[in-house]
Amino acid sequence: EAGVTQSPTHLIKTRGQQVTLRCSPISGHTSVYWYQQALGLGLQFLLWYDEGEERNRGNFPPRFSGRQFPNYSSELNVNALELEDSALYLCASSKGLARLYNEQFFGPGTRLTVL
Amino acid sequence: KNQVEQSPQSLIILEGKNCTLQCNYTVSPFSNLRWYKQDTGRGPVSLTIMTFSENTKSNGRYTATLDADTKQSSLHITASQLSDSASYICVVTRTNYGGSQGNLIFGKGTKLSVKP
Repeated sequence: EAGVTQSPTHLIKTRGQQVTLRCSPISGHTSVYWYQQALGLGLQFLLWYDEGEERNRGNFPPRFSGRQFPNYSSELNVNALELEDSALYLCASSKGLARLYNEQFFGPGTRLTVL
Repeated sequence: KNQVEQSPQSLIILEGKNCTLQCNYTVSPFSNLRWYKQDTGRGPVSLTIMTFSENTKSNGRYTATLDADTKQSSLHITASQLSDSASYICVVTRTNYGGSQGNLIFGKGTKLSVKP
């Protein structure tokens, strides 16, 4: 069974640009989560999608947005990039809302560098 | 404030030795606690998960404990191997009163290096 996949693996952008990161969940999982892991910091929760709907949002500005498609894959968009957006962006997936524990399985991440 | 604190920040041990990593949390209301292993540049992989009523859970050479009264957890690694070199992250789930999954609060992790 394929795990969570993310693309691209690495990305270099300049300040003010926009970026789109992509995530495909494990087959059968309906929930997708996005996290930011800056160097030396813990994972910070960004967004949670389930069944195409945004369910929860972390403490990030509106220039961080995303969506979930009917096939449950997801995109994370970041507008007006800032230097401090440089981080590893992790996507995770889990079975839906009704499942006990809702264990999250993580993808390998996308390393974003903003110059 | 909902927080997860891990100690030590980093640890170096010799191959074959045991070690214990600590996690203290102030998350409320508590749903469950997970330990993840994160290899450098990779996504975290779940090792154990414990709910309020569970005080120990093993996964091979990894044994996690939970004291819900003191809000402390530990991860004990037995007979360490070079492949155990990674960051170990403690994650506490905060129950959402709406019944759906609440926010996950992540610790900053303990970076373990196992030397030959």
